[in-house]
Amino acid sequence: SQQGEEDPQALSIQEGENATMNCSYKTSINNLQWYRQNSGRGLVHLILIRSNEREKHSGRLRVTLDTSKKSSSLLITASRAADTASYFCATDASGGFKTIFGAGTRLFVKA
Amino acid sequence: GAGVSQSPSNKVTEKGKDVELRCDPISGHTALYWYRQSLGQGLEFLIYFQGNSAPDKSGLPSDRFSAERTGGSVSTLTIQRTQQEDSAVYLCASSLGAQIELHEKLFFGSGTQLSVL
Repeated sequence: SQQGEEDPQALSIQEGENATMNCSYKTSINNLQWYRQNSGRGLVHLILIRSNEREKHSGRLRVTLDTSKKSSSLLITASRAADTASYFCATDASGGFKTIFGAGTRLFVKA
Repeated sequence: GAGVSQSPSNKVTEKGKDVELRCDPISGHTALYWYRQSLGQGLEFLIYFQGNSAPDKSGLPSDRFSAERTGGSVSTLTIQRTQQEDSAVYLCASSLGAQIELHEKLFFGSGTQLSVL
């Protein structure tokens, strides 16, 4: 089975609002990543947080990690219509090279 | 190359035919991954290579699926006797992979949309 599960499955917000997506995973990890996918094709890496980090920022992105709860959240502040995409969390299952993705959250930002 | 390149971008085939999907990773990337994504779904891990060897083939759905990598570069995913349920986007990604802590960021190709009629 896949490692990560995101919720919500879909999220619709107005431009300017914040969007929060959550990810849960099952086994211990070295790091957790978030990716973005437009139009069902290639994914683009957004941010990586290591298991010994609790929070990380990159521009309008804020990622938190709670290893005790095996969960992470991605916050996009001041959303824009161009943020409309699917967002996936990914973990290094078994602490190795294998990277496992969750089912994703589809975000729709209305202008 | 500048990015991960996959070919063809679209492939339509008849049930029972064999197909080959190609992936050219970023030059110098030792780790290469294949994923499958059905419409509206997440990414299903298929296989990954470190150099030319595949330490983990656990995600290959059946013995109709195989993959190889030659020269530590180009990889080919082959599906024999295709079935309609094989229809999906097949995504390839690569990473530096030199050490475990360097492997994490994956660079993806645009994928191959496979349609089995």
